[in-house]
Amino acid sequence: GAGVSQSPSNKVTEKGKDVELRCDPISGHTALYWYRQSLGQGLEFLIYFQGNSAPDKSGLPSDRFSAERTGGSVSTLTIQRTQQEDSAVYLCASSLGLTGGASGELFFGEGSRLTVL
Amino acid sequence: AQSVTQLGSHVSVSEGALVLLRCNYSSSVPPYLFWYVQYPNQGLQLLLKYTSAATLVKGINGFEAEFKKSETSFHLTKPSAHMSDAAEYFCAVSGVADKLIFGTGTRLQVFP
Repeated sequence: GAGVSQSPSNKVTEKGKDVELRCDPISGHTALYWYRQSLGQGLEFLIYFQGNSAPDKSGLPSDRFSAERTGGSVSTLTIQRTQQEDSAVYLCASSLGLTGGASGELFFGEGSRLTVL
Repeated sequence: AQSVTQLGSHVSVSEGALVLLRCNYSSSVPPYLFWYVQYPNQGLQLLLKYTSAATLVKGINGFEAEFKKSETSFHLTKPSAHMSDAAEYFCAVSGVADKLIFGTGTRLQVFP
Protein backbone atom coordinates (compact mmCIF):
# COMPACT_ATOMS: atom_id res chain seq x y z
CA GLY A 1 0.00 0.00 0.00
CA ALA A 2 0.98 3.64 -0.26
CA GLY A 3 0.70 4.52 3.40
CA VAL A 4 2.05 3.36 6.74
CA SER A 5 0.42 0.09 7.67
CA GLN A 6 0.00 -1.12 11.25
CA SER A 7 -1.27 -4.40 12.60
CA PRO A 8 -3.23 -5.46 14.45
CA SER A 9 -5.63 -2.53 14.51
CA ASN A 10 -7.04 -3.77 17.80
CA LYS A 11 -5.54 -6.08 20.37
CA VAL A 12 -7.10 -7.21 23.62
CA THR A 13 -4.83 -9.16 25.93
CA GLU A 14 -4.64 -10.31 29.48
CA LYS A 15 -2.33 -8.78 32.01
CA GLY A 16 1.03 -10.51 31.97
CA LYS A 17 0.92 -11.61 28.34
CA ASP A 18 3.38 -10.44 25.70
CA VAL A 19 2.22 -8.56 22.63
CA GLU A 20 3.81 -7.65 19.31
CA LEU A 21 2.72 -4.70 17.22
CA ARG A 22 3.86 -4.40 13.64
CA CYS A 23 4.55 -1.39 11.46
CA ASP A 24 5.20 -1.40 7.74
CA PRO A 25 6.47 2.05 6.75
CA ILE A 26 6.26 3.78 3.41
CA SER A 27 8.80 2.29 1.03
CA GLY A 28 12.01 4.30 0.94
CA HIS A 29 11.40 6.16 4.19
CA THR A 30 14.54 6.07 6.29
CA ALA A 31 13.06 7.27 9.57
CA LEU A 32 10.56 5.32 11.63
CA TYR A 33 8.96 6.35 14.91
CA TRP A 34 6.79 4.73 17.53
CA TYR A 35 4.55 6.87 19.71
CA ARG A 36 2.00 6.03 22.37
CA GLN A 37 -1.24 7.99 22.54
CA SER A 38 -3.16 7.88 25.80
CA LEU A 39 -6.11 9.98 26.84
CA GLY A 40 -4.84 13.26 28.21
CA GLN A 41 -1.20 12.35 27.55
CA GLY A 42 -0.81 13.43 23.97
CA LEU A 43 1.71 11.62 21.84
CA GLU A 44 4.44 10.10 23.95
CA PHE A 45 7.65 9.40 22.05
CA LEU A 46 8.86 5.83 22.44
CA ILE A 47 11.62 5.04 19.96
CA TYR A 48 13.12 6.42 16.75
CA PHE A 49 15.00 4.59 14.00
CA GLN A 50 17.01 6.59 11.46
CA GLY A 51 18.69 4.73 8.66
CA ASN A 52 21.48 2.50 9.89
CA SER A 53 22.13 4.54 13.03
CA ALA A 54 21.58 3.12 16.47
CA PRO A 55 17.95 3.72 17.47
CA ASP A 56 17.03 6.41 19.96
CA LYS A 57 15.34 4.42 22.70
CA SER A 58 15.13 7.25 25.19
CA GLY A 59 11.33 7.21 25.29
CA LEU A 60 10.76 3.58 26.13
CA PRO A 61 9.00 3.60 29.53
CA SER A 62 10.51 0.39 30.91
CA ASP A 63 12.60 -2.60 29.98
CA ARG A 64 9.38 -4.47 29.16
CA PHE A 65 9.28 -2.43 25.96
CA SER A 66 11.54 -3.14 23.00
CA ALA A 67 11.50 -2.56 19.27
CA GLU A 68 13.44 -3.64 16.26
CA ARG A 69 13.53 -2.70 12.65
CA THR A 70 14.59 -5.41 10.25
CA GLY A 71 16.30 -4.60 6.99
CA GLY A 72 15.56 -0.93 7.40
CA SER A 73 11.89 -1.52 6.76
CA VAL A 74 9.33 -3.32 8.91
CA SER A 75 9.39 -2.63 12.64
CA THR A 76 7.99 -4.60 15.55
CA LEU A 77 7.23 -3.12 18.96
CA THR A 78 7.16 -5.76 21.68
CA ILE A 79 5.65 -5.30 25.11
CA GLN A 80 6.44 -8.06 27.57
CA ARG A 81 4.38 -8.91 30.64
CA THR A 82 1.73 -6.34 29.76
CA GLN A 83 0.19 -4.18 32.47
CA GLN A 84 -3.12 -2.33 32.47
CA GLU A 85 -1.32 1.00 32.21
CA ASP A 86 0.05 -0.16 28.84
CA SER A 87 -3.43 0.22 27.38
CA ALA A 88 -3.20 2.92 24.70
CA VAL A 89 -3.07 3.48 20.98
CA TYR A 90 0.40 2.79 19.59
CA LEU A 91 1.18 4.89 16.55
CA CYS A 92 3.88 4.31 14.01
CA ALA A 93 5.12 6.99 11.64
CA SER A 94 7.74 7.19 8.94
CA SER A 95 9.43 10.02 7.11
CA LEU A 96 11.66 10.56 4.14
CA GLY A 97 15.07 12.14 4.58
CA LEU A 98 18.13 11.91 6.70
CA THR A 99 17.40 14.79 9.04
CA GLY A 100 14.90 13.22 11.32
CA GLY A 101 11.99 15.37 12.32
CA ALA A 102 13.35 18.33 10.39
CA SER A 103 12.54 16.58 7.16
CA GLY A 104 9.11 17.94 7.81
CA GLU A 105 6.37 15.48 7.41
CA LEU A 106 5.74 12.34 9.33
CA PHE A 107 3.25 9.96 7.80
CA PHE A 108 1.27 8.16 10.45
CA GLY A 109 -0.42 4.81 10.45
CA GLU A 110 -3.90 4.33 11.83
CA GLY A 111 -2.50 2.91 15.04
CA SER A 112 -2.85 -0.27 17.06
CA ARG A 113 -5.27 0.02 19.96
CA LEU A 114 -4.06 -2.13 22.84
CA THR A 115 -6.35 -3.04 25.72
CA VAL A 116 -4.90 -4.92 28.65
CA LEU A 117 -7.51 -6.54 30.87
CA ALA B 1 16.70 18.59 24.23
CA GLN B 2 13.44 19.89 22.89
CA SER B 3 9.95 20.15 24.35
CA VAL B 4 6.66 21.88 23.66
CA THR B 5 3.91 23.11 25.93
CA GLN B 6 0.39 23.51 24.67
CA LEU B 7 -1.65 25.81 26.85
CA GLY B 8 -5.21 24.64 27.17
CA SER B 9 -6.22 21.04 26.63
CA HIS B 10 -9.62 22.18 25.38
CA VAL B 11 -10.61 25.26 23.40
CA SER B 12 -14.17 26.09 22.40
CA VAL B 13 -15.15 28.70 19.84
CA SER B 14 -18.24 29.68 17.93
CA GLU B 15 -18.41 29.11 14.21
CA GLY B 16 -16.93 32.17 12.50
CA ALA B 17 -14.85 33.19 15.51
CA LEU B 18 -11.09 33.43 15.68
CA VAL B 19 -9.22 30.24 16.52
CA LEU B 20 -6.06 30.60 18.63
CA LEU B 21 -4.21 27.52 19.84
CA ARG B 22 -1.11 28.22 21.89
CA CYS B 23 2.25 26.47 21.70
CA ASN B 24 5.49 27.38 23.41
CA TYR B 25 8.68 25.50 22.77
CA SER B 26 12.00 24.89 24.44
CA SER B 27 15.00 23.99 22.35
CA SER B 28 18.76 24.04 22.81
CA VAL B 29 19.25 24.23 19.05
CA PRO B 30 17.42 26.14 16.31
CA PRO B 31 14.02 24.48 16.26
CA TYR B 32 11.88 23.07 13.54
CA LEU B 33 8.23 23.46 14.53
CA PHE B 34 5.10 21.74 13.34
CA TRP B 35 1.37 21.56 13.85
CA TYR B 36 -0.41 18.28 13.24
CA VAL B 37 -4.17 17.70 13.26
CA GLN B 38 -6.09 14.58 14.16
CA TYR B 39 -9.71 14.51 13.04
CA PRO B 40 -12.08 12.15 14.85
CA ASN B 41 -11.30 8.53 14.09
CA GLN B 42 -8.51 9.45 11.72
CA GLY B 43 -4.75 9.45 11.79
CA LEU B 44 -2.55 12.49 12.28
CA GLN B 45 -1.71 14.70 9.36
CA LEU B 46 0.60 17.65 8.90
CA LEU B 47 -1.10 21.05 9.06
CA LEU B 48 1.96 23.27 8.64
CA LYS B 49 5.65 23.51 9.46
CA TYR B 50 8.36 26.07 10.21
CA THR B 51 11.83 25.13 9.01
CA SER B 52 13.78 28.41 9.37
CA ALA B 53 12.43 30.17 6.30
CA ALA B 54 9.54 32.64 6.62
CA THR B 55 8.40 33.17 10.19
CA LEU B 56 4.73 33.30 9.18
CA VAL B 57 3.75 29.92 7.91
CA LYS B 58 0.53 29.15 6.08
CA GLY B 59 -0.97 25.69 6.16
CA ILE B 60 -3.98 23.83 4.92
CA ASN B 61 -7.59 24.80 5.57
CA GLY B 62 -6.81 28.46 6.25
CA PHE B 63 -4.60 27.89 9.28
CA GLU B 64 -1.39 29.77 9.87
CA ALA B 65 1.26 30.03 12.58
CA GLU B 66 3.92 32.57 13.41
CA PHE B 67 7.34 31.70 14.78
CA LYS B 68 8.35 34.21 17.45
CA LYS B 69 11.82 33.50 18.73
CA SER B 70 11.67 36.21 21.39
CA GLU B 71 8.57 34.60 22.87
CA THR B 72 9.57 30.99 22.07
CA SER B 73 6.09 30.60 20.64
CA PHE B 74 4.47 29.05 17.59
CA HIS B 75 0.76 29.73 18.06
CA LEU B 76 -1.77 28.44 15.53
CA THR B 77 -4.50 30.73 14.28
CA LYS B 78 -7.42 30.77 11.89
CA PRO B 79 -9.49 33.92 11.36
CA SER B 80 -12.85 32.19 11.11
CA ALA B 81 -13.64 28.79 12.58
CA HIS B 82 -15.65 26.23 10.68
CA MET B 83 -17.49 23.27 12.11
CA SER B 84 -15.15 20.97 10.21
CA ASP B 85 -12.18 22.34 12.17
CA ALA B 86 -13.24 20.38 15.24
CA ALA B 87 -10.31 18.08 15.93
CA GLU B 88 -7.29 17.60 18.15
CA TYR B 89 -4.27 19.70 17.33
CA PHE B 90 -0.70 18.83 18.27
CA CYS B 91 2.31 21.10 18.28
CA ALA B 92 5.69 19.43 17.76
CA VAL B 93 9.38 20.37 17.77
CA SER B 94 12.53 18.83 16.40
CA GLY B 95 16.20 19.61 16.09
CA VAL B 96 17.91 19.34 12.71
CA ALA B 97 18.75 15.65 13.01
CA ASP B 98 16.58 14.59 15.86
CA LYS B 99 13.32 13.00 16.78
CA LEU B 100 10.00 14.84 16.70
CA ILE B 101 8.56 15.62 20.13
CA PHE B 102 4.85 16.36 20.46
CA GLY B 103 2.86 18.34 22.96
CA THR B 104 -0.11 16.97 24.85
CA GLY B 105 -2.61 18.29 22.33
CA THR B 106 -5.50 20.77 22.29
CA ARG B 107 -9.00 19.62 21.49
CA LEU B 108 -10.87 22.25 19.50
CA GLN B 109 -14.65 22.34 19.69
CA VAL B 110 -16.64 24.54 17.33
CA PHE B 111 -20.20 25.50 18.25
CA PRO B 112 -22.78 26.65 15.72
